[in-house]
Amino acid sequence: DIQMTQSPSSLSASVGDRVTITCRASQGISNYLAWYQQKPGKVPKLLIYAASTLQSGVPSRFSGSGSGTDFTLTISSLQPEDVATYYCQKYNSALALTFGGGTKVEIK
Amino acid sequence: EVQLVQSGAEVKKPGESLKISCKGSGYSFTSYWIGWVRQMPGKGLEWMGIIYPGDSDTRYSPSFQGQVTISADKSISTAYLQWSSLKASDTAMYYCARLNDVVVAASLDYWGQGTLVTVSS
Repeated sequence: DIQMTQSPSSLSASVGDRVTITCRASQGISNYLAWYQQKPGKVPKLLIYAASTLQSGVPSRFSGSGSGTDFTLTISSLQPEDVATYYCQKYNSALALTFGGGTKVEIK
Repeated sequence: EVQLVQSGAEVKKPGESLKISCKGSGYSFTSYWIGWVRQMPGKGLEWMGIIYPGDSDTRYSPSFQGQVTISADKSISTAYLQWSSLKASDTAMYYCARLNDVVVAASLDYWGQGTLVTVSS
């Protein structure tokens, strides 16, 4: 089974900083990767799908890149409302989804 | 507007059975897979399984196979997650979510509000 490893598990950055979260798959998954944001006490929200496509309504400071085994989620200028835990998720044609362990983002 | 509305919070005792629901609206319920995701207190998201309401084709994560049953009633646009004998370790928030596989790289684009299940003696 393909495992998804996120790093770091948590980070603290200042408002306006560029923040990068990585997700590594144990095997190649093409671009079958999505990113979700879960604010404290809230429902997860889709940010990016197909590794780099921004979901409608998501601010353009969020971007995704990568293919194969290595992927990144970047927040170009961290805002206070971005405090959340971010999860990557892989998908395969057998309808097996796996989430990464999550990255908790806080404001310094 | 696409909506997934889940049933309310439940408090159960170990050994009891439970069935929670997820009602879809605002889209063709039979044309999209519905998945279930567990989130234990203070923990991350875990994939449980998925059902295609159009024909009830169901797939389970190996971690949850045999532990839960996923079903759907397309006549009322509702998916279900059920347990026959709850354990304290089933205490968690459970989310349903729609799988959008219009693009090959599918993702969960709409989520229910979550159902909190508490199992305690």
